[in-house]
Amino acid sequence: ETGVTQTPRHLVMGMTNKKSLKCEQHLGHNAMYWYKQSAKKPLELMFVYNFKEQTENNSVPSRFSPECPNSSHLFLHLHTLQPEDSALYLCASSQVPPYDSGNTIYFGEGSWLTVV
Amino acid sequence: GNSVTQMEGPVTLSEEAFLTINCTYTATGYPSLFWYVQYPGEGLQLLLKATKADDKGSNKGFEATYRKETTSFHLEKGSVQVSDSAVYFCCTGGGNKLTFGTGTQLKVEL
Repeated sequence: ETGVTQTPRHLVMGMTNKKSLKCEQHLGHNAMYWYKQSAKKPLELMFVYNFKEQTENNSVPSRFSPECPNSSHLFLHLHTLQPEDSALYLCASSQVPPYDSGNTIYFGEGSWLTVV
Repeated sequence: GNSVTQMEGPVTLSEEAFLTINCTYTATGYPSLFWYVQYPGEGLQLLLKATKADDKGSNKGFEATYRKETTSFHLEKGSVQVSDSAVYFCCTGGGNKLTFGTGTQLKVEL
C-alpha cells in the first residue's frame, strides 16, 4: 500500500470508446503525475500537476486529456485511442519539486489498458 | 539534461548469489539518487535513496552508495532470494526533473 490508489486496475476499450482512469493519493502531496509504461520502452512522463495546475505536458496526443480537480485526485480521460496506446498507466504523487533533497515520488499500482 | 544509464538485463542469478546492478548518471549540480523496484503486475516502489555524496541508502538487504567522483549509484545485495525477482530502476532527481533509467530485470532461480 503506497498511499496512491488507481482504478480501474484493468481496462479493455474499443477505439471509439470514452473511458477514464482515476487516481487518488492519501499522502498530503501537492504534485501528481501520469506516466506511461510500455513493454521494452523507458518510462514516459506524460503530465505533471503542481497545486492543481498543469506544469508539464510532454507532447502527449490530445486523445489523452488529464484533469486535476484538487491536489488529491487526478484523472486521465481517454477518447478514440489507438492499439499502440495499450500500456500500463502509472499515477504518482510527491511534494512539489525540487527533488534535490530527496523529495520522493510515490507510484500507484497502475492501470493496465488494452485498446482493441 | 540529466540522464541515467543502467546495465541491460535480464540478469539471472541463483538464490543466495551476490547482486550488482550498475547505474551511472549525468547531471548538473547535486541530484538526489533513487532506486525503485517493480514487482510483476505492480507499480514502482521506492527501494532506497541517497541525497548527497558518500551517502549510503539501504533497505531490505539492498545497498547503494552515492559516488560523486564516478557519478555512479550501483545497487548491491549480498544474497538474493527468489522473491527479489523484479525490475529495478535507477533514478536521479535534480531541480524540477526526475530521470529514470530503462530498468534492469532481475530473475532469481532456485
